[in-house]
Amino acid sequence: EDKVVQSPLSLVVHEGDTVTLNCSYEVTNFRSLLWYKQEKKAPTFLFMLTSSGIEKKSGRLSSILDKKELSSILNITATQTGDSAIYLCAPNFGNEKLTFGTGTRLTIIP
Amino acid sequence: NAGVMQNPRHLVRRRGQEARLRCSPMKGHSHVYWYRQLPEEGLKFMVYLQKENIIDESGMPKERFSAEFPKEGPSILRIQQVVRGDSAAYFCASSLQGAADTQYFGPGTRLTVL
Repeated sequence: EDKVVQSPLSLVVHEGDTVTLNCSYEVTNFRSLLWYKQEKKAPTFLFMLTSSGIEKKSGRLSSILDKKELSSILNITATQTGDSAIYLCAPNFGNEKLTFGTGTRLTIIP
Repeated sequence: NAGVMQNPRHLVRRRGQEARLRCSPMKGHSHVYWYRQLPEEGLKFMVYLQKENIIDESGMPKERFSAEFPKEGPSILRIQQVVRGDSAAYFCASSLQGAADTQYFGPGTRLTVL
């Protein structure tokens, strides 16, 4: 069965800190990996990763995929209180559906 | 450019009643996915539909749950004879193409069963 593990489960840091969120997966037919940010509403799309070793960047957020290690990381630099959310990792195993991890709950203290 | 729309945003039902959740995909998207998020749990896939077809319903409970995506109108997730365990947030996502494409999520419907 396809499996997704995110770590840490929760993280509390001060504003301005840099954080790294991890996602590892066990896969049968990997196609891509997506990162979402979920506040008190819909998951908001952040990144889609398909190629290993190529960093995707959007402002203070960046992400990279390591197909050899079956993992991905999401980095957030110079964190702000608005970054407080649950960050979800969702590999697509080529069967049309996303398999979500339980997420990392990030809390930024002013 | 409207995103994925879901209604109602909140729905309260008593045990045994029916719940109907609606999802209108983003303009031009013909692929719709339903996910359920139980309290303190991650999102779990339920069903994947294209217009007038159910493509994958492997995550849908075998009884009481059904989904459709008619040629005209929104996708509907229907839960008959609701029970307390059905209380959850139900999210709909849509994509332009299928498996290789990004899924964009709606705001969800929070179902509470009394």
